[in-house]
Amino acid sequence: QSALTQPASVSGSPGQSITISCTGTSSDVGVYNYVSWYQHHPGKAPKLMIYDVSDRPSGVSNRFSGSRSGNTASLTISGLQAADEADYYCSSYTSSTTLGVFGTGTKVTVL
Amino acid sequence: EVLLLESGGGLVQPGGSLRLSCAASGFTFSSFAMNWVRQAPGRGLEWVSGIIGSGGSTYYADSVKGRFTISRDNSKNTLYLQMNSLRADDTAVYYCAKDKRFSVSVTFEYWGQGSLVTVSS
Repeated sequence: QSALTQPASVSGSPGQSITISCTGTSSDVGVYNYVSWYQHHPGKAPKLMIYDVSDRPSGVSNRFSGSRSGNTASLTISGLQAADEADYYCSSYTSSTTLGVFGTGTKVTVL
Repeated sequence: EVLLLESGGGLVQPGGSLRLSCAASGFTFSSFAMNWVRQAPGRGLEWVSGIIGSGGSTYYADSVKGRFTISRDNSKNTLYLQMNSLRADDTAVYYCAKDKRFSVSVTFEYWGQGSLVTVSS
């Protein structure tokens, strides 16, 4: 099972919106609703930001939103803030023998 | 407050064994699946293994199948990962992660701080 494909880096200025893509296949992102997004500051525990494609856990800012089109999921961060600078990973349930797969990770930089 | 505290990491020689533990609190442990996720140095996250709330079904990544065993003791609110035949590419920070559901949905709702496993001679 290959990792889901994400851009290595995305950057934006404070207040802007950015979108991170996560491309999989019809065996994972394209068919299952168990698609999630995680924020990871190095040295800390990852944090769930979006689950089930577009649902947001309580306590997560509504500046974070998720969507899906075909085999590609997307995370949009609006009103970009310095605290949003981190690594972001998508994940998906998969029909392969390996039950779960992560994306390659995207480093978000706030200019 | 949900808390997950991993322990048992350390330095081990290639071919050796190690058992990680994860003590959970703040939720009804037996009602949720649990997972292990790892991150090798300079690499991304990798799902390693999952176990349903009752412990009756377990799942593994192809990279660890046959070498690692996940288990849980619901009376002690503790998750385990027995790692045998360790290789250098198993070197990573291992995270314990609470699933959002009773079954393994690979939706990691809460994470521990991680435990470093280093496989080296």
